[in-house]
Amino acid sequence: DGGITQSPKYLFRKEGQNVTLSCEQNLNHDAMYWYRQDPGQGLRLIYYSQIVNDFQKGDIAEGYSVSREKKESFPLTVTSAQKNPTAFYLCASSSRTGDLFSYNEQFFGPGTRLTVL
Amino acid sequence: GQQLNQSPQSMFIQEGEDVSMNCTSSSIFNTWLWYKQEPGEGPVLLIALYKAGELTSNGRLTAQFGITRKDSFLNISASIPSDVGIYFCAGQLVREYGNKLVFGAGTILRVKS
Repeated sequence: DGGITQSPKYLFRKEGQNVTLSCEQNLNHDAMYWYRQDPGQGLRLIYYSQIVNDFQKGDIAEGYSVSREKKESFPLTVTSAQKNPTAFYLCASSSRTGDLFSYNEQFFGPGTRLTVL
Repeated sequence: GQQLNQSPQSMFIQEGEDVSMNCTSSSIFNTWLWYKQEPGEGPVLLIALYKAGELTSNGRLTAQFGITRKDSFLNISASIPSDVGIYFCAGQLVREYGNKLVFGAGTILRVKS
């Protein structure tokens, strides 16, 4: 079945440690996205990527880093510089319909809940 | 950044009742999306709207893309217990590079059976 997978489902980290969240999709989608979700708030965009080896900062990129070495993979690293990393992290992807301004709707993975101890 | 105003924040309704929620923005969007999220899971797309004035149904769900392109509503008819969850609206800005979406804060729906 085609879809988006995120691992692990739950992740615990000590303060000062970097941690990497995995996101893989087998939908052959061009674009991939990382969002952060906090209680009572909408999703906020961290980073996004339209093509391999290219990515752009979203609204809250500070303290995070990404890579896009393969079309199907878009890992997110939460660094020790992120001051409040405890949150629910969601990965999404979408396919392009035409030029870089034309995409279909985004589909989401099941999420990773990160807790900093 | 851009924001969508989504209301109501939460609803606690009796099974069988109809539900209505909406989103408004000061920005013009070229796409409106409605997602449902259940606890501990990722949002699932319910309805996508692409044209101003468009009215689209998906089973008991009906959504409309406002004529001004700055608002959208979602109706759920004859609610059932499995409708429980958080409903998010999302808008795609006109000609926004990379299909960036702006999300509302969500409407929490609880259904009393």
